[in-house]
Amino acid sequence: EAGVAQSPRYKIIEKRQSVAFWCNPISGHATLYWYQQILGQGPKLLIQFQNNGVVDDSQLPKDRFSAERLKGVDSTLKIQPAKLEDSAVYLCASSLRTSGWYEQYFGPGTRLTVT
Amino acid sequence: AQKVTQAQTEISVVEKEDVTLDCVYETRDTTYYLFWYKQPPSGELVFLIRRNSFDEQNEISGRYSWNFQKSTSSFNFTITASQVVDSAVYFCALSETGDEGAQKLVFGQGTRLTINP
Repeated sequence: EAGVAQSPRYKIIEKRQSVAFWCNPISGHATLYWYQQILGQGPKLLIQFQNNGVVDDSQLPKDRFSAERLKGVDSTLKIQPAKLEDSAVYLCASSLRTSGWYEQYFGPGTRLTVT
Repeated sequence: AQKVTQAQTEISVVEKEDVTLDCVYETRDTTYYLFWYKQPPSGELVFLIRRNSFDEQNEISGRYSWNFQKSTSSFNFTITASQVVDSAVYFCALSETGDEGAQKLVFGQGTRLTINP
């Protein structure tokens, strides 16, 4: 079974530029998560989708971050414009469902450096 | 709000030593789950264990064991006879129930474990 795929693996941009990350979850997984992991910290949830609907985006900085999950499969996370403090690893995870508890499977992440 | 504390930022031991990683949590939920994840240098988070709040039995899997004590809100992780391949950052995490019953994970800061040959 293929795991969670993410691209690109690395991205370097200048502040005020825009960037987008892509995630393809495990086939059949209804729930998709985007986490931000700043160096030296644990991952922090940014947004959670159930199929193509948003379940939780309370920690997403909506003035600059946006995410979508069209057709309930792939997802993109966008930052526009980027700030220096956005430098982090962005992890995508998926699980079978949201209610009850199902293991979250993580992708390799996208390491973003904002200069 | 839920909170997970991993007081040990870094641990360094010599191969074959036993090592325990501490995890203390805070929650107001009566039902919750606790997790441990491993993050090797490649960056991918690898699931190790999930424990239900109603199950306080300790668990052993090979060289790994977990001690869950609800009375002290702790969920500690022990590696016996450590190996160089165990070197990684280890995260303890707690489930949090959000709106509409949606579950999400709250992670601790992580403990960087280095096993020296």
